[in-house]
Amino acid sequence: QVQLVQSGAEVKKPGASVKVSCKASGYTFTSYYMHWVRQAPGQGLEWMGIINPSGGSTSYAQKFQGRVTMTRDTSTSTVYMELSSLRSEDTAVYYCARDGEAYSSRGTGDYWGQGTLVTVSS
Amino acid sequence: EIVMTQSPATLSVSPGERATLSCRASQSVSSNLAWYQQKPGQAPRLLIYGASTRATGIPARFSGSGSGTEFTLTISSLQSEDFAVYYCQQYNNWPPSITFGQGTRLEIK
Repeated sequence: QVQLVQSGAEVKKPGASVKVSCKASGYTFTSYYMHWVRQAPGQGLEWMGIINPSGGSTSYAQKFQGRVTMTRDTSTSTVYMELSSLRSEDTAVYYCARDGEAYSSRGTGDYWGQGTLVTVSS
Repeated sequence: EIVMTQSPATLSVSPGERATLSCRASQSVSSNLAWYQQKPGQAPRLLIYGASTRATGIPARFSGSGSGTEFTLTISSLQSEDFAVYYCQQYNNWPPSITFGQGTRLEIK
């Protein structure tokens, strides 16, 4: 069965960076794009970007351009999301979500990780 | 950026009744529209994609309709487990441009 297991909660100071991991299992890792979505406390969902685990190509939401980097390690079936220059507004639960269509991007998240809480506080 | 607007913000419905949730796009998204359900402390769950196609394992009481800028999610007979927050999401082709609505909270009346 498809599983996405994310790394644990993080507490960071303003200006620091955070790197969240998402380890995939139960399917061919390189066949499905992976999205990153975040959710601030009590707020809605916000799409951050997408990575193609096969070639490593990425596309980021304009809001996060220059601050986010998504990478993957095919040897461990893991994708990473690194967010830099953190501020208090970045406090949120960060989710990875596998796209629903093999070899392309339908744009939907069919399987989701459990979420990683990142708290930014001085 | 395409803005997605959901209405109402909160919907109160009795178990066994029908619930109708709306989502409007600021410009046409064709049928590139999905619906998610989210319960407290859980990740979102995909219900509908392509505006009207149920995702794997989703009960038939969930149905989606619409195209262009106006979309509807209907839950035909509410079960206790259906009370949650629902989000619509639009998605374009590569490079993707994905935005969510602000959510509709479906609560027990």
